[in-house]
Amino acid sequence: NAGVTQTPKFQVLKTGQSMTLQCAQDMNHNSMYWYRQDPGMGLRLIYYSASEGTTDKGEVPNGYNVSRLNKREFSLRLESAAPSQTSVYFCASSDGTSGGFYEQYFGPGTRLTVT
Amino acid sequence: AQSVAQPEDQVNVAEGNPLTVKCTYSVSGNPYLFWYVQYPNRGLQFLLKYITGDNLVKGSYGFEAEFNKSQTSFHLKKPSALVSDSALYFCAVRVPRDFNKFYFGSGTKLNVKP
Repeated sequence: NAGVTQTPKFQVLKTGQSMTLQCAQDMNHNSMYWYRQDPGMGLRLIYYSASEGTTDKGEVPNGYNVSRLNKREFSLRLESAAPSQTSVYFCASSDGTSGGFYEQYFGPGTRLTVT
Repeated sequence: AQSVAQPEDQVNVAEGNPLTVKCTYSVSGNPYLFWYVQYPNRGLQFLLKYITGDNLVKGSYGFEAEFNKSQTSFHLKKPSALVSDSALYFCAVRVPRDFNKFYFGSGTKLNVKP
């Protein structure tokens, strides 16, 4: 049971390049999330997927797209990276359909630098 | 709008002393409340949660938290701090009618000195 896994761990991009961050969970959770973490700002929700086949915008969706490939996998794509997207990105999952009292499980993060 | 506040960016405590990390919230309805810990270069780890019932909840690593509905607070506590408790702590809430989202505080850095 690996929990939530993310790839890659580190990435450096040039402005304008694109990339996809991968996330997978093996806990059979319905809900999956993408957050970014910046110093002094806590976690900000980018996109989430309440269940397979659905995705919704969070607090800071601009410049990102997501795909819920199946129940296990939820990817985040940067189409044209900008320096403002330099951050640490976390994927999380939760059982979001059973009354809301389940906690989230987080992946180890991807540290992205855009130059 | 839902919001979670952690009024202290940093808390310093000596090893062996009790610690408190504060959290207050402003949400509609009765929230579910969570505490997470983040060690350097790691993802967040779940510590404890309040759903209903006893206002004092116990969690991992000897931590506990007290829910106070009238003060809309959920402070994290530990009777005797360890140097290994030094980390970043986040409070989060989940609200009725919008269980798909968690709202996080900005985090509090706990420093425990030997």
